[in-house]
Amino acid sequence: SQQGEEDPQALSIQEGENATMNCSYKTSINNLQWYRQNSGRGLVHLILIRSNEREKHSGRLRVTLDTSKKSSSLLITASRAADTASYFCATDAQGGKLIFGQGTELSVKP
Amino acid sequence: SAVISQKPSRDICQRGTSLTIQCQVDSQVTMMFWYRQQPGQSLTLIATANQGSEATYESGFVIDKFPISRPNLTFSTLTVSNMSPEDSSIYLCSANLAGAGQPQHFGDGTRLSIL
Repeated sequence: SQQGEEDPQALSIQEGENATMNCSYKTSINNLQWYRQNSGRGLVHLILIRSNEREKHSGRLRVTLDTSKKSSSLLITASRAADTASYFCATDAQGGKLIFGQGTELSVKP
Repeated sequence: SAVISQKPSRDICQRGTSLTIQCQVDSQVTMMFWYRQQPGQSLTLIATANQGSEATYESGFVIDKFPISRPNLTFSTLTVSNMSPEDSSIYLCSANLAGAGQPQHFGDGTRLSIL
């Protein structure tokens, strides 16, 4: 069964705005990863944050992790139309087996 | 960077038939994983494929329906057996190319439609 929950399920914003997606999970984890999927294709890895880290940055992406609340957030700053995709969080609690959240469908309008 | 390739990329099959999906990694990895993504849904882990041992299946998935082979450290296959329309999904393989606890990389997936 799916462990993670994400919200919102869908998000529509204008180009240049920031997009924030949230992820919650249920059990202890080794790390949490965020992925992007364009139109039902393969997943692209965005960022990995370990359980002993609280924040991580990569370009326009900022990820936070709160293990006490079992939650994470992904912030995309200055969004572009090319950021339109589905975004998934995935937790690694046991040797590489990923449990995925339900995903957030992001639409960035030009 | 290392690449994971899957084939076929898509197929349309008749119910009752079986299809084998291949996954090739361009570096040696200990574990490979197979996921299913049903239409409009997230990914669900089917099984973990270790070289030299039987695959480990997640709850709700059985070897008779989804037999997996892992003949070496760079290759795995997933067979979807006796297909029905409910098996219409995207099937993806993945691996930790840099080892456990590192980002997992995915193939482009196999989009399977059963008529």
